[in-house]
Amino acid sequence: GAVVSQHPSWVICKSGTSVKIECRSLDFQATTMFWYRQFPKQSLMLMATSNEGSKATYEQGVEKDKFLINHASLTLSTLTVTSAHPEDSSFYICSAPRLEGGEQFFGPGTRLTVL
Amino acid sequence: KNEVEQSPQNLTAQEGEFITINCSYSVGISALHWLQQHPGGGIVSLFMLSSGKKKHGRLIATINIQEKHSSLHITASHPRDSAVYICAVRDGGATNKLIFGTGTLLAVQP
Repeated sequence: GAVVSQHPSWVICKSGTSVKIECRSLDFQATTMFWYRQFPKQSLMLMATSNEGSKATYEQGVEKDKFLINHASLTLSTLTVTSAHPEDSSFYICSAPRLEGGEQFFGPGTRLTVL
Repeated sequence: KNEVEQSPQNLTAQEGEFITINCSYSVGISALHWLQQHPGGGIVSLFMLSSGKKKHGRLIATINIQEKHSSLHITASHPRDSAVYICAVRDGGATNKLIFGTGTLLAVQP
């Protein structure tokens, strides 16, 4: 099946720093990618939809200036958590739907810990 | 009320038992996904359904569009099936956005 990778798989950073997370579709082109966050024992929460070549669409309550999304190519989307704070500590997951068939493939996730 | 409801929230079974997890939704959908999330966090897509029934190994998924209900069955359950199972529906619009259920935590004991 199709593969979506994320990098890094985990990151620990100091409060106030910025962290970039990459999401790549390895064997198909993805004009759209989705970014989610997941708190412990909770389900995934959609943060934003990343659109190749255009601005991302953010869900209500998600600060676009804090969570910067760039989808510069058909295989790569990045999420940058700017000026990270401890409350941003979470598990961040991306997914990419394949246009043919609509099946969605999920990345392995990135665990962010902000000290 | 959540747009996607799953039951049960937690399920403990003995190895070999037949397991059923249910999902009901209240919105129009274009497809329904069953996902599996292991403790490490990675999510695997098990099934994508828009009608009828699909089978893969010991897993069976069914959907009834009229009743807005889907079930995931696991036959001859095994401890390695222990995971969180998540039902997610793809909205009926032009996007591929998913709406997630809260998940069912399954523990299969040897």
